[in-house]
Amino acid sequence: KAGVTQTPRYLIKTRGQQVTLSCSPISGHRSVSWYQQTPGQGLQFLFEYFSETQRNKGNFPGRFSGRQFSNSRSEMNVSTLELGDSALYLCASSLVLAGVDEQFFGPGTRLTVL
Amino acid sequence: DQQVKQNSPSLSVQEGRISILNCDYTNSMFDYFLWYKKYPAEGPTFLISISSIKDKNEDGRFTVFLNKSAKHLSLHIVPSQPGDSAVYFCAATQTGANNLFFGTGTRLTIIP
Repeated sequence: KAGVTQTPRYLIKTRGQQVTLSCSPISGHRSVSWYQQTPGQGLQFLFEYFSETQRNKGNFPGRFSGRQFSNSRSEMNVSTLELGDSALYLCASSLVLAGVDEQFFGPGTRLTVL
Repeated sequence: DQQVKQNSPSLSVQEGRISILNCDYTNSMFDYFLWYKKYPAEGPTFLISISSIKDKNEDGRFTVFLNKSAKHLSLHIVPSQPGDSAVYFCAATQTGANNLFFGTGTRLTIIP
């Protein structure tokens, strides 16, 4: 079974631009969560989608948004990029009733904002 | 506000010895705790978890201990092997929630 895939793996943007990251969950998984990893803050929860609906949201500004498609693939968008948005963005997928220990992470997208 | 803290950014341990990684949390609503291991260029992978109804959970060379009164948990790896060299993240959540609160990670290096 293929794992969670994220595209692109690396991205360089400049301040003020916007970016869209993509995540394809494991086949059959319907929940997708997004996390931001920075050196000083560790991994921080952004949001979780299930059946195309946002079920849970972390403490991030409205510049961070996401969506999920009917095939469970998910995208996250960051508008008006700031230097502090430079981070590794990870997505994780899980089955419908699976607990958090059944979340499987993708390799991440490394975003650099110049 | 960091609700899960790993105060040691790095740890070096001789191969064959015990590795002890520590984690503290502040939110008393957390009742489920997990450890993840992360290699470079890969996403975190689940290692072991513990519910707040237990104070110990063991899986092979890995044991997690939970001290609820101190809001502290630790991961013991015995014996440590070179392949254990990675960054270890502690995470916490409330049962039923699907969002994890992570610590900042501890880089473990096993010295052959």
